[in-house]
Amino acid sequence: DQQVKQNSPSLSVQEGRISILNCDYTNSMFDYFLWYKKYPAEGPTFLISISSIKDKNEDGRFTVFLNKSAKHLSLHIVPSQPGDSAVYFCAASSRDTDKLIFGTGTRLQVFP
Amino acid sequence: EAQVTQNPRYLITVTGKKLTVTCSQNMNHEYMSWYRQDPGLGLRQIYYSMNVEVTDKGDVPEGYKVSRKEKRNFPLILESPSPNQTSLYFCASSRPGLMNTEAFFGQGTRLTVV
Repeated sequence: DQQVKQNSPSLSVQEGRISILNCDYTNSMFDYFLWYKKYPAEGPTFLISISSIKDKNEDGRFTVFLNKSAKHLSLHIVPSQPGDSAVYFCAASSRDTDKLIFGTGTRLQVFP
Repeated sequence: EAQVTQNPRYLITVTGKKLTVTCSQNMNHEYMSWYRQDPGLGLRQIYYSMNVEVTDKGDVPEGYKVSRKEKRNFPLILESPSPNQTSLYFCASSRPGLMNTEAFFGQGTRLTVV
């Protein structure tokens, strides 16, 4: 039972263009969402988060959008850079637990 | 520097030989957890600990043990490793609370059980 799903295992984008990574969830109790980035041979690192009381959160080139009615969130990277090439995991948690539920990850490749 | 340190980074072992992967954090975090990462399955939680002497099962606890005798350390124990435990393991720590669920991860331990 995958509560957090990332249906695209990989994405390839040209440098300078927008990268859009998608994530769907099934548990309506989730109210906090995060994105992590993972480079090879390293642990995941926190990128950006959003609370369910918001529908958008922006941090530099990174913006996360939340559509609660559709149980969908997305990460936009504009403009994409080769250093953004990594695996991106979305994660969700609920008010009654600190447990993070992770998606399966999307491998982003940004080519010149 | 705030960090989560795992050891070893790489380990090859044989079926049935007990092993321990250590995890230590220097951020005074109450919450620590272990994950395994497998292709197509993402990060799955093995065990977690809300504080010293408080541990609980995650989603895939079978074949693993943990202990939390000190706040900074959270070792993962495989009493009798099997090949299906070949995986990439991550330890993480965070402060409890909804707005503080940003977890800090170690660099990972790649375990191969033959």
